[in-house]
Amino acid sequence: EVQLLESGGGLVQPGGSLRLSCAASGFTFSSDAMSWVRQAPGKGLEWVSTITDDGGNANYADSVKGRFTISRDNSKNTLYLQVSSLIAEDTAVYYCAKDTDMLTGSMDVWGQGTTVTVSS
Amino acid sequence: EIVMTQSPATLSVSPGERVTLSCRASQGVNSNFAWYQQNPGQAPRLLIYGASTRATGIPARFRGSGSGTEFTLTISSLQSEDFAVYYCQQYNNWPRTFGQGTKVEIK
Repeated sequence: EVQLLESGGGLVQPGGSLRLSCAASGFTFSSDAMSWVRQAPGKGLEWVSTITDDGGNANYADSVKGRFTISRDNSKNTLYLQVSSLIAEDTAVYYCAKDTDMLTGSMDVWGQGTTVTVSS
Repeated sequence: EIVMTQSPATLSVSPGERVTLSCRASQGVNSNFAWYQQNPGQAPRLLIYGASTRATGIPARFRGSGSGTEFTLTISSLQSEDFAVYYCQQYNNWPRTFGQGTKVEIK
């Protein structure tokens, strides 16, 4: 079964940091680009970042550029998102997702999400 | 940044009815376009990619069409499990962007 399982969310003070993880199973992790998408409470979906299959290239939303870093360890089938300098607007459920294929930027497998709450 | 605008914001329909959702891109995205469904408390589910290709396991009652700047998702006969929020997304340009969502609710 193809599966993504996020972890690492929690309550953090403004200015704080967290590392989110996403464990992948059931597919060849090293062959697919991976993404993070977030959803603030009661709001829509916001793309955050995407990393290529080999980890050599990444793109970020302007809202997180310079504060968040996406990475992956293909030997551990795990995707990461280092979130730093957190602000209240970063409060959201963070989903990891797998790109459909090398040529397609839709996302066909999603995790259940991990919640990040930024509050003092 | 390409802005995706969905209409309407909410649709009130009865089970068995045909539903049409729209999404407009602020500039052309070719067919680099997807639709997602999200039920409350759940992760999004990919329905359509490449503007018109159904994802694995998606029933044939879901049909995507369009290219360039205008896209449509049609659900031919609404089932109880289809009452949800639907999002469009473009992946032609960075950053990838989503529409604000259309909620399909029971009339």
